[in-house]
Amino acid sequence: RKEVEQDPGPFNVPEGATVAFNCTYSNSASQSFFWYRQDCRKEPKLLMSVYSSGNEDGRFTAQLNRASQYISLLIRDSKLSDSATYLCVVNMAETSYDKVIFGPGTSLSVIP
Amino acid sequence: NAGVMQNPRHLVRRRGQEARLRCSPMKGHSHVYWYRQLPEEGLKFMVYLQKENIIDESGMPKERFSAEFPKEGPSILRIQQVVRGDSAAYFCASSPHSYEQYFGPGTRLTVT
Repeated sequence: RKEVEQDPGPFNVPEGATVAFNCTYSNSASQSFFWYRQDCRKEPKLLMSVYSSGNEDGRFTAQLNRASQYISLLIRDSKLSDSATYLCVVNMAETSYDKVIFGPGTSLSVIP
Repeated sequence: NAGVMQNPRHLVRRRGQEARLRCSPMKGHSHVYWYRQLPEEGLKFMVYLQKENIIDESGMPKERFSAEFPKEGPSILRIQQVVRGDSAAYFCASSPHSYEQYFGPGTRLTVT
């Protein structure tokens, strides 16, 4: 099993739709989780951290399910500008330093 | 506070030449990471450095690639005797600690 797995998509959704991505991780000891977005040919940018209790930032909601070892990202009222690749990031926990692993990403296209 | 700076943004090298990529982390950040991204693929970790120390180089190819982060000046990723397969986007990220990483705009290397 890969350390961090994501459905590559692409997810094609109409404007205004709600879309959710899941990301599974293999290390039950992982403690830190993040979502990044990467626009085409640009650098990844930190979107939000994922807290145990779940957190919300405007139209974006992130949740953590430790029992099933996955995190999710929910985007409500999708905008054209949300089109990007969304990267799940998880720390490995068992390394000598706090190493993080980037998932392969899920591609989202919001269509008019 | 300026973001992570990378230069050059685009670099063209002929096979067999050397490529030298520079990264200046955000002010106050002492952790630097290098990633490679091939077209249509995910980010691949290469190396993690702190000032004057290589902490994790598990993602670096065994030959031709080296990295440094001197006490003064930017971090350097050096690729000797480049081959066409080295053509990719190389991203640098910095962090004040080991979790949240902030990326530079990347250097796009083309080997002709």
